[in-house]
Amino acid sequence: DAGITQSPRHKVTETGTPVTLRCHQTENHRYMYWYRQDPGHGLRLIHYSYGVKDTDKGEVSDGYSVSRSKTEDFLLTLESATSSQTSVYFCAISWTAEVEAFFGQGTRLTVV
Amino acid sequence: GEDVEQSLFLSVREGDSSVINCTYTDSSSTYLYWYKQEPGAGLQLLTYIFSNMDMKQDQRLTVLLNKKDKHLSLRIADTQTGDSAIYFCAERDSNTGKLIFGQGTTLQVKP
Repeated sequence: DAGITQSPRHKVTETGTPVTLRCHQTENHRYMYWYRQDPGHGLRLIHYSYGVKDTDKGEVSDGYSVSRSKTEDFLLTLESATSSQTSVYFCAISWTAEVEAFFGQGTRLTVV
Repeated sequence: GEDVEQSLFLSVREGDSSVINCTYTDSSSTYLYWYKQEPGAGLQLLTYIFSNMDMKQDQRLTVLLNKKDKHLSLRIADTQTGDSAIYFCAERDSNTGKLIFGQGTTLQVKP
């Protein structure tokens, strides 16, 4: 398995609180992505990074921010969690822009 | 925006072939992909095909691409119970470079 770890794996938080999810890789891949998976929607891209300190928005970026201060870590922050952000979040990594090659096991976030 | 459509469910008997179908809208997509998701796990890249190809075979997997009809299919030969999972089709949006996923097809393999 590729060296990609998401933490935490499960989290329950209250509406209005800040939440940070972490994606850690040991593959030294350049590209890192955050997706959310919801029933009936497949996966949708939230933000991605193409290098340290280089990030860009995806399809559903509102309410989320990201940071990548070093190659191995990509953080996703919900500044003020809302119930609509209840979802399963997946991190992906790749050595090329053409293929999201490896996905983490996911973080199940519940906002109550 | 671009869209990818898949049927939601497919049930087959062990040993039969499975064919999972997908349609997409971006005629300029350069790459199309198939991912597999087992329960409680992340997505696993199964295979991908470049748009100038009609077919790609990898062991039990065969991908067929019909660019005229914007139709992609994944055939799994000799389907096993371990193939039970959700299969996602995805295309690379030629404008944004982002991956657009279908809703996923749940493959159920009966013994």
